[in-house]
Amino acid sequence: AQSVAQPEDQVNVAEGNPLTVKCTYSVSGNPYLFWYVQYPNRGLQFLLKYITGDNLVKGSYGFEAEFNKSQTSFHLKKPSALVSDSALYFCAVRDVPNDYKLSFGAGTTVTVRA
Amino acid sequence: DSGVTQTPKHLITATGQRVTLRCSPRSGDLSVYWYQQSLDQGLQFLIQYYNGEERAKGNILERFSAQQFPDLHSELNLSSLELGDSALYFCASSGSMAGRGNEQFFGPGTRLTVL
Repeated sequence: AQSVAQPEDQVNVAEGNPLTVKCTYSVSGNPYLFWYVQYPNRGLQFLLKYITGDNLVKGSYGFEAEFNKSQTSFHLKKPSALVSDSALYFCAVRDVPNDYKLSFGAGTTVTVRA
Repeated sequence: DSGVTQTPKHLITATGQRVTLRCSPRSGDLSVYWYQQSLDQGLQFLIQYYNGEERAKGNILERFSAQQFPDLHSELNLSSLELGDSALYFCASSGSMAGRGNEQFFGPGTRLTVL
């Protein structure tokens, strides 16, 4: 069965500092990996995805993520965090070709202080 | 705005009742997914429909059912409601054949409160 782990419940950084949100995955087939962000009282917004190809994926709002097959990780990064990046971040995986659904991690709350 | 709409935004009802949540996918998307978000269970996949047919089932209770209509909108029916069913219910949609590799676009959710 596919699964995702986000080892940190919370990440706190100062504005302007680099931001990293960690994610590891487990699948039996090839992984399709996704990052979503959820602001309070809002739905999930798609940030970026890894399907195949370049291990460094660039997404919305200056975010990027690095796929590491040997470490089964897909960490989300932003070089310089903004206060407006404060939100709940979810990593998700789809086990291809075995499944269609997304399996989500528990989420990481990011707080960026001014 | 993802293009996925959900109604109602909020729903308050009593135990034992039945409710229907509605979702309209993005224009052209054939796949609709339902998810439940709660504090103790996190985000859980419930069920997927593709072009009117059930494609995948997750942790969906027997008291819950869903369908996708010819115009591709979907409804999630929750019956014999219990306090533990209180949660945020999301609908998501994706395009092309079964949505393989395509990101899912989420609606704003319906917050269900069972009293």
